[in-house]
Amino acid sequence: DTAVSQTPKYLVTQMGNDKSIKCEQNLGHDTMYWYKQDSKKFLKIMFSYNNKELIINETVPNRFSPKSPDKAHLNLHINSLELGDSAVYFCASSQTTYGYTFGSGTRLTVV
Amino acid sequence: ELKVEQNPLFLSMQEGKNYTIYCNYSTTSDRLYWYRQDPGKSLESLFVLLSNGAVKQEGRLMASLDTKARLSTLHITAAVHDLSATYFCAVGHIESFGAGTRLTVKP
Repeated sequence: DTAVSQTPKYLVTQMGNDKSIKCEQNLGHDTMYWYKQDSKKFLKIMFSYNNKELIINETVPNRFSPKSPDKAHLNLHINSLELGDSAVYFCASSQTTYGYTFGSGTRLTVV
Repeated sequence: ELKVEQNPLFLSMQEGKNYTIYCNYSTTSDRLYWYRQDPGKSLESLFVLLSNGAVKQEGRLMASLDTKARLSTLHITAAVHDLSATYFCAVGHIESFGAGTRLTVKP
């Protein structure tokens, strides 16, 4: 059983398109996150949700919108994709200060 | 804003040698994490350090935390090729990651 699963694993799309990445965790964790890892491997938090409420919203373009239908899911929707959005996006979840668990990542390529 | 600095960013070492990766952070934090990432893979949790003076060891890796100095170290003992990966430290509620240390262990 995968603890934090993301779909799709790979996503290639054209500029201007809208796409979504889905994330589900079966760990019963209360907090979920989205991170972006760029080509230089820098990891930056984008969003954090705790019990379906947004608690961190770093400075990301408003083309990115997280949606959490329940505490086990945190999806990321991206409008009007740009070349600079190409990166690997990781979902993660946590319950306390222990055990942050990351998903396998979604490699987004915008052409 | 919490800043996290790792050094070195690139480390090439021979098997059997010892080395230390450093992680400095800019403001007080009560928790620090070390992760490993293999190429094209996700992040694997290595250590969670929650108190000043905490030391944890797993195999050839040992992590320590000095909250007064705002410094954590990841010490590698007698490196083997399987340890080749990128190692990240993260501070706070993992909002802030270091840039990562790309470790290559050569025969």
